[in-house]
Amino acid sequence: GAVVSQHPSWVICKSGTSVKIECRSLDFQATTMFWYRQFPKQSLMLMATSNEGSKATYEQGVEKDKFLINHASLTLSTLTVTSAHPEDSSFYICSAIFPGQGNEKLFFGSGTQLSVL
Amino acid sequence: GESVGLHLPTLSVQEGDNSIINCAYSNSASDYFIWYKQESGKGPQFIIDIRSNMDKRQGQRVTVLLNKTVKHLSLQIAATQPGDSAVYFCAEKVGTSYGKLTFGQGTILTVHP
Repeated sequence: GAVVSQHPSWVICKSGTSVKIECRSLDFQATTMFWYRQFPKQSLMLMATSNEGSKATYEQGVEKDKFLINHASLTLSTLTVTSAHPEDSSFYICSAIFPGQGNEKLFFGSGTQLSVL
Repeated sequence: GESVGLHLPTLSVQEGDNSIINCAYSNSASDYFIWYKQESGKGPQFIIDIRSNMDKRQGQRVTVLLNKTVKHLSLQIAATQPGDSAVYFCAEKVGTSYGKLTFGQGTILTVHP
């Protein structure tokens, strides 16, 4: 079945550094991917929509210069958290649309736990 | 903005019992609903979906019921097993928003052996 791979699964970094998270669709092409963040015991909040070959669309309140998204190929989207601070510590999850017969399905990566010291 | 919401954060059941997880949504324009299961430290896993032109859909051990009149969605799990312990989220989508979902608050299901 369709698989979305996310890497790394966890990362610890120092405050002020940048961290890149990768999201890959392994056996299908995904022109659209999504990035979510999730705080402990809370729901998923959509951060941005990643579009292959064009700029990402950010949700209201999400800083595009802080959360850089690049969707350079049909199988890879990256999220870079720039100048990370402790409040950026969160669980980041990507998803990709698997095209179906008039009813596309959304598959999720396994998530990345970011801890900023 | 409008959002999907869950008001029951935890549910504890005995193994073998049936579980019912509820979800209230507020956007009357939503026409596609999905239930996801999320285990600790993992991404959401698709369970079952339903379109607004249906009021019931069954899967393997799971049934989703949709009541558009009161904007209510439920997930029924038959013969709940310890492996069903997880957080369950409902999510909604408005037709033209290609894949863009709004997630509910989530319910923690704990199944006791």
